[in-house]
Order: sequence, then structure tokens, then C-alpha cells
Amino acid sequence: DAGVIQSPRHEVTEMGQEVTLRCKPISGHDYLFWYRQTMMRGLELLIYFNNNVPIDDSGMPEDRFSAKMPNASFSTLKIQPSEPRDSAVYFCASSGGGHWAKNIQYFGAGTRLSVL
Amino acid sequence: QKEVEQNSGPLSVPEGAIASLNCTYSDRGSQSFFWYRQYSGKSPELIMSIYSNGDKEDGRFTAQLNKASQYVSLLIRDSQPSDSATYLCAVNPNAGGTSYGKLTFGQGTILTVHP
Repeated sequence: DAGVIQSPRHEVTEMGQEVTLRCKPISGHDYLFWYRQTMMRGLELLIYFNNNVPIDDSGMPEDRFSAKMPNASFSTLKIQPSEPRDSAVYFCASSGGGHWAKNIQYFGAGTRLSVL
Repeated sequence: QKEVEQNSGPLSVPEGAIASLNCTYSDRGSQSFFWYRQYSGKSPELIMSIYSNGDKEDGRFTAQLNKASQYVSLLIRDSQPSDSATYLCAVNPNAGGTSYGKLTFGQGTILTVHP
């Protein structure tokens, strides 16, 4: 398996622009997670899905952020409009399997977002 | 109080020494505990999982769990420069409900192993 695939790897945009980050989870995994990582705040969970349904979006910072999972193999995280404080590395992770295996998350390579 | 706390370091140890990384958590009902390693500019990768009190060994790595004291630790024996990374402690808040599958991460401890 190719692992969790994220695109783009790097994104540079100007304040106010819309940004869309993409993620393909590991085939067969039924949990998908979006994280944001900064030096100040560490690794923060933004939202996660189970069987394509959002389960917990309490980490989404504000209405400018939205996430969708239209099918088992694809998810997007959208920021509209983007702001400089959104600059961070965004990770997607997936997990699946038995009771204990569901808690083992595999991370994508991340998208480094810079909002100027 | 943060849900998962780690000393941010940096922790510096000489090559060949034992590196000891510690983590405490606040949710007494937590069931699953993980250590992830993150090299600079890379994504976190799982190196150890532990579910029961006591020690779990895997090669040079030993994870220790004490649920009564709510701490989990990672020991790295015979530390190598290639072990230099940030080590993230992650905890599953509980075994069911809306937290099923969810992990809460600590801030991470930066480890430097010098030759």
C-alpha cells in the first residue's frame, strides 16, 4: 500500500484566497483524521471521520475551515478565506481494523501551508 | 491542565546512553497509549504502543505504563544519533463513545543524541 497520500506537499497563497488540501487514506481504513501542527500549539486534531461521516469537529478553529469526505478514498480540508495565522503543516492520518488497531494512526507526509 | 503533558526538552544524551522520555495524562479512563517519532520536516511515525500496566520491549525501545500514576514512559537503550527526533506521546481518551479511534497528542520531547 502507498500509505496515506496528501496533496499538495507545499502551498503558498495570499491572504484571502481559498485553499484546498487533499487526502487519500489507506485502502480499507475507516477512520480519517485531519491535524494541524505548529511550533506554538503542537499537533492539534481538527476533525475526524468514521465511515465518511464527521464524528468530532470540535477542533476546527472557526467557520473558515470546512472538511468533507465524499467517499472512502478521498477527503478535503478547505480554508476560505485564508489568513496568515493559518500557516502550519496540515497532516492527514487514517486508521482501521480491529478494536485496538483502530487507535493506530498512519500519517501522510503533510501539506506545508504558507499564507502571505 | 493539558490532557497529555511532556517535557519539551531538549533532552541531550551521549551516544550509547539510555534516553528516558516521560508523559503524563489526565483522563484516568484512558486505555491506549502510543509513542510516535517525528524527524524534522517529516510526519509522525508509530514506534510503540502499550495497553497494559508494566513494560513492553521492542528492540532498543521499552515502553512503560503505570495507569495508577497516569504516566507512560519510553526508554531508548544504546541511543544512536539517528534517534535524534521529536518523540510524541499519544493517548486514546477512552475505549468507546465519540472518542473511539481518537488520539490526544502531547507537545513532544526533542531528543538529541550526540556522538
